[in-house]
Amino acid sequence: KAGVTQTPRYLIKTRGQQVTLSCSPISGHRSVSWYQQTPGQGLQFLFEYFSETQRNKGNFPGRFSGRQFSNSRSEMNVSTLELGDSALYLCASSRIQGTEQFFGPGTRLTVL
Amino acid sequence: GENVEQHPSTLSVQEGDSAVIKCTYSDSASNYFPWYKQELGKRPQLIIDIRSNVGEKKDQRIAVTLNKTAKHFSLHITETQPEDSAVYFCAASDSGGYQKVTFGTGTKLQVIP
Repeated sequence: KAGVTQTPRYLIKTRGQQVTLSCSPISGHRSVSWYQQTPGQGLQFLFEYFSETQRNKGNFPGRFSGRQFSNSRSEMNVSTLELGDSALYLCASSRIQGTEQFFGPGTRLTVL
Repeated sequence: GENVEQHPSTLSVQEGDSAVIKCTYSDSASNYFPWYKQELGKRPQLIIDIRSNVGEKKDQRIAVTLNKTAKHFSLHITETQPEDSAVYFCAASDSGGYQKVTFGTGTKLQVIP
């Protein structure tokens, strides 16, 4: 089976812009979670989608949003980018909730 | 919400020695505790996990113990090797409800040859 894929792998944006990141889960996996990883904060949970519904959300501002499509692919959007949004954004998929998560390679976002 | 604390933040051991990483959690509803290993520049990968109906689980040189009463769980790596050098994350989640996995802040393990 192909692993979790994320596009793009690297992204450079300027403050105020918006960005959309994409995640394709492992075939058959219906749960997709998004995390922000920074050196000082570790892995911070953003949100989780299951069958096109956001089931849980972390403590991030409304500028961070996402969605999931019928084929389980997920997108994450960040509007009005700030310097502090520079991070590695990881998505992870699992077959169902509460089971092993498989991570994608991440998208490295740099905000200038 | 759930809060997971992880200690130590860095750990250096001599090759062949054991390494122990400890985590505590706050939500008694958490019942699934995975451990992930992240090598430099790579994605986190699950190395072992344990559910709340089990007190200990072992896989070759790696073991995890869980104390539900005290709300803490630990990762034990025996006979460490240089390739064990990485950042290790513990996590806790409630598999009975919606999947929200809370991660610890990570432990950077360095195995000195």
